Amino acid sequence: GQNIDQPTEMTATEGAIVQINCTYQTSGFNGLFWYQQHAGEAPTFLSYNVLDGLEEKGRFSSFLSRSKGYSYLLLKELQMKDSASYLCAVMDSNYQLIWGAGTKLIIKP
Amino acid sequence: GAVVSQHPSWVICKSGTSVKIECRSLDFQATTMFWYRQFPKQSLMLMATSNEGSKATYEQGVEKDKFLINHASLTLSTLTVTSAHPEDSSFYICSALSPRRTGNQPQHFGDGTRLSIL
Repeated sequence: GQNIDQPTEMTATEGAIVQINCTYQTSGFNGLFWYQQHAGEAPTFLSYNVLDGLEEKGRFSSFLSRSKGYSYLLLKELQMKDSASYLCAVMDSNYQLIWGAGTKLIIKP
Repeated sequence: GAVVSQHPSWVICKSGTSVKIECRSLDFQATTMFWYRQFPKQSLMLMATSNEGSKATYEQGVEKDKFLINHASLTLSTLTVTSAHPEDSSFYICSALSPRRTGNQPQHFGDGTRLSIL
């Protein structure tokens, strides 16, 4: 079956760095995506990885290892507004996004 | 600006009412749209895949007679929750598959519809 695992909740301090991990097992692979979702809002796109390695975009970076079925989202210089749920999703061979349950990130002052 | 428009954003209605939610792609033709449901503190759950000009494909456990999907044009898909009951209260989100299918932002999301059934 298809499965995506990520931690349910994480807590970090404002100004610090946090890494959110995601492991996956899917039928086919057309890329891994990270989305941010604030409560009551639709997800917003953060990053896309289809090749192994690190993609950096400002304070956010995303890493992929296809052989290990593993990705992480790295958030630097955390701000209070980064408090949200972070969803890992894999696009399968049918172009459908398979979603993880999301990681709720709590930022403390 | 938004490339997918979802309307309405918020609905409150009595039990037994049917509610229609519209999802429009604004900048491109979307042959495929997806309908998701999200309960509080849970992730997105795919309800159905809507293909223009053909019947929608429903995920296991989703009642097709309860959740009617119509994708009559390349820019519009609608979800009708028929005879809604309190347990149908949820956050419904649509997305449209980008013509490129892969790469950045393969799915463009609407802003979601919060449905509350009294």
